[in-house]
Amino acid sequence: GQQLNQSPQSMFIQEGEDVSMNCTSSSIFNTWLWYKQDPGEGPVLLIALYKAGELTSNGRLTAQFGITRKDSFLNISASIPSDVGIYFCAGPPSNTGNQFYFGTGTSLTVIP
Amino acid sequence: KAGVTQTPRYLIKTRGQQVTLSCSPISGHRSVSWYQQTPGQGLQFLFEYFSETQRNKGNFPGRFSGRQFSNSRSEMNVSTLELGDSALYLCASSPAGRFTYGYTFGSGTRLTVV
Repeated sequence: GQQLNQSPQSMFIQEGEDVSMNCTSSSIFNTWLWYKQDPGEGPVLLIALYKAGELTSNGRLTAQFGITRKDSFLNISASIPSDVGIYFCAGPPSNTGNQFYFGTGTSLTVIP
Repeated sequence: KAGVTQTPRYLIKTRGQQVTLSCSPISGHRSVSWYQQTPGQGLQFLFEYFSETQRNKGNFPGRFSGRQFSNSRSEMNVSTLELGDSALYLCASSPAGRFTYGYTFGSGTRLTVV
């Protein structure tokens, strides 16, 4: 099946540092979504990207839709303790209709 | 506006039993999808329902089934439970099946099979 690889798998950073993570696929995507999941809860949508090259921000979060349409990037600036959680990229590959795939996740730990 | 509601939040079942999980989508959302989340496999797509019809199905055995009612509420059923079915089961809804808006997830049902 479809695989979305996220890197890094986990990150341990100091509060105030910036964070970068990415997501790559073997297939072309028409939409990229970034979610955050807190322990014991469902994922929450952070940012949606709909066009190759698109750069979208949501507060301290910025995400980009890669030019090749096979990757996406998420940056978090000036991290705070509540940024802790697992970040997932997701989307429907262009050749699979409505089926929706999730990345392997990046676990973020922020050290106060 | 109420979010996606999943019941129950926690469930403990014995191997061989069957279980039914419930999901009430956001009002007006007609697409409901189910995912299984485990530490080893991540988020795996189970199936998607739209207007009471299963529109997509993931790669799970026939023991996993679901349905959607006319009010868009959905249930999923797992028969003959196995230890490996222990997972967080997440339901997500989206308006009119337009996945480009992204799904809104419920808090999940934590199923433990003993």
